Amino acid sequence: AQRVTQPEKLLSVFKGAPVELKCNYSYSGSPELFWYVQYSRQRLQLLLRHISRESIKGFTADLNKGETSFHLKKPFAQEEDSAMYYCALRTQGGSEKLVFGKGTKLTVNP
Amino acid sequence: NAGVTQTPKFQVLKTGQSMTLQCAQDMNHNSMYWYRQDPGMGLRLIYYSASEGTTDKGEVPNGYNVSRLNKREFSLRLESAAPSQTSVYFCASSRGQGRNQPQHFGDGTRLSIL
Repeated sequence: AQRVTQPEKLLSVFKGAPVELKCNYSYSGSPELFWYVQYSRQRLQLLLRHISRESIKGFTADLNKGETSFHLKKPFAQEEDSAMYYCALRTQGGSEKLVFGKGTKLTVNP
Repeated sequence: NAGVTQTPKFQVLKTGQSMTLQCAQDMNHNSMYWYRQDPGMGLRLIYYSASEGTTDKGEVPNGYNVSRLNKREFSLRLESAAPSQTSVYFCASSRGQGRNQPQHFGDGTRLSIL
């Protein structure tokens, strides 16, 4: 069964500190992984997708198939990064569904 | 460019009342989805529609029905609302088939059942 685990419900760091939001997945096929961000009372927005290997707002994420992980990292956190972050796994086949983790709430303190 | 539009934004219902949440997308996407978001539970898929004319159950379909009215619109209906259905509901859409297709979300509907 497909599963996404975000072990930290809450993560608090100080401005300028590095931040890493953990995501582990369980899936027997070839995974497609995404990070979504939700700022306070706003819609979910796509932040990163693993296949693009891009850096958005200073965030990067690398797919590690050996460890089945897709951790989100930023070297220097900013207060505006405070938000809810969701890791999501896209399953293959006709359904095209996303399986979401339960989310990590990141708070960046001044 | 509206993207995914949900109506209403807020609603309060009494137990047993019925209601339909509306969702429309203007991106010519094939697939559409309904999620509910609850504290500590993340997003859970209620129903989805991989293409016009098809609908399938997700993780938590009980108490809900859906209609894919046309390619643009996908509605979610609560026939007899229960307090356990108090939640924030998000509609999303995606192109569907093909690698690396993200989902685009609406602003959400905050629904309270008293």
